[in-house]
Amino acid sequence: NAGVTQTPKFRVLKTGQSMTLLCAQDMNHEYMYWYRQDPGMGLRLIHYSVGEGTTAKGEVPDGYNVSRLKKQNFLLGLESAAPSQTSVYFCASSRTSGLDNEQFFGPGTRLTVL
Amino acid sequence: DAKTTQPNSMESNEEEPVHLPCNHSTISGTDYIHWYRQLPSQGPEYVIHGLTSNVNNRMASLAIAEDRKSSTLILHRATLRDAAVYYCILRRRSGNTPLVFGKGTRLSVIA
Repeated sequence: NAGVTQTPKFRVLKTGQSMTLLCAQDMNHEYMYWYRQDPGMGLRLIHYSVGEGTTAKGEVPDGYNVSRLKKQNFLLGLESAAPSQTSVYFCASSRTSGLDNEQFFGPGTRLTVL
Repeated sequence: DAKTTQPNSMESNEEEPVHLPCNHSTISGTDYIHWYRQLPSQGPEYVIHGLTSNVNNRMASLAIAEDRKSSTLILHRATLRDAAVYYCILRRRSGNTPLVFGKGTRLSVIA
């Protein structure tokens, strides 16, 4: 039982390049989330999904797109990377959105945009 | 959304209890109080949550004030592995409520 995994762990991009971050969970969770964390800050929600085929915007969605084609996977795309998107990206999942439900987080992807 | 206030940092000696405070004076009656922690270079992990009554689990205890305007996360015997940033988060009952992280409290544990 791997929990939540993220690919890749590290990536360096040049401004304007595109990339996709992959998140996978093996807990059969309905809900999945993408957060970013800038140095010295808490996590901020980018996008989330309440089930296969559905996505919704979070607090900081601009410059990102997401897809949830399979229940176990949640992809985060950057179409044209900018230096402001240099950050650590965390994926999370939860069984439901219930107020007493915990979220499980992946180990993070450290992205640098030059 | 109701906000939480936590000290920026705290320090503890190893094997001593640690009390991490959180103020949430604008909490509503149906807000749950969640605590997560983030170890260095890792994603956050769930610690504990509660609504009104004090809660205990294998990791920690959560003491909630009678008026619910504050709470305290209690680590009974701090270890070096407990050095982390601890986040106190309120989850409001209004549809899907993703976690909203503040800056948390950075706990240092001294051997």
